[in-house]
Amino acid sequence: DIQMTQSPSSLSASVGDRVTITCQASQDISNYLNWYQQKPGKAPKLLIYDASNLETGVPSRFSGSGSGTDFTFTISSLQPEDIATYYCQQYDNLALFTFGPGTKVDIK
Amino acid sequence: QVQLVQSGAEVKKPGASVKVSCKASGYTFTSYYMHWVRQAPGQGLEWMGIINPSGGSTSYAQKFQGRVTMTRDTSTSTVYMELSSLRSEDTAVYYCARGFQVPRDWGQGTLVTVSS
Repeated sequence: DIQMTQSPSSLSASVGDRVTITCQASQDISNYLNWYQQKPGKAPKLLIYDASNLETGVPSRFSGSGSGTDFTFTISSLQPEDIATYYCQQYDNLALFTFGPGTKVDIK
Repeated sequence: QVQLVQSGAEVKKPGASVKVSCKASGYTFTSYYMHWVRQAPGQGLEWMGIINPSGGSTSYAQKFQGRVTMTRDTSTSTVYMELSSLRSEDTAVYYCARGFQVPRDWGQGTLVTVSS
């Protein structure tokens, strides 16, 4: 099975800061990677699909990049409503999916 | 609009089974795969498996092989996830999520508590 690592596991940043989260796959997954935001007590919300495509209705301050094994998720200007845990999720051609361990984002 | 409505919270004893339902509406049920994902208290998201509502084919995470069964009822546009031989570590919120490569729409979650 493909394993996903995410870093950092948590971060604290100021409003307006640029925030970057990385996700690494244990083998090449092309661009088969999605990013989710989850707030406490809520279901995850899709933000980025296929590594770099912004989901409809999601603010443009969110972006994703990467392919192969290394991926990056960026919030260009952190807002108070962005406080959440962010997860990457990969899918492979055997219809097997894996989530990263998550990154908790807080306001400093 | 797409809606995924899950069944209510469950309390089960160790060794028992639980069956959680996810009723879909607002789209053609057989056109979209459905995932099951769980989240233990204070923990991350864990993918359990996927079902194709059209033919009923499934793919399960290795961790749950032999213990999980995903089925569907096309007459009611409902998918089911049954987990057997429950243990305390299975206490979690269980979500259904619509989509194949990209699970976009999620149910509200069902809390399953395993306790003696």
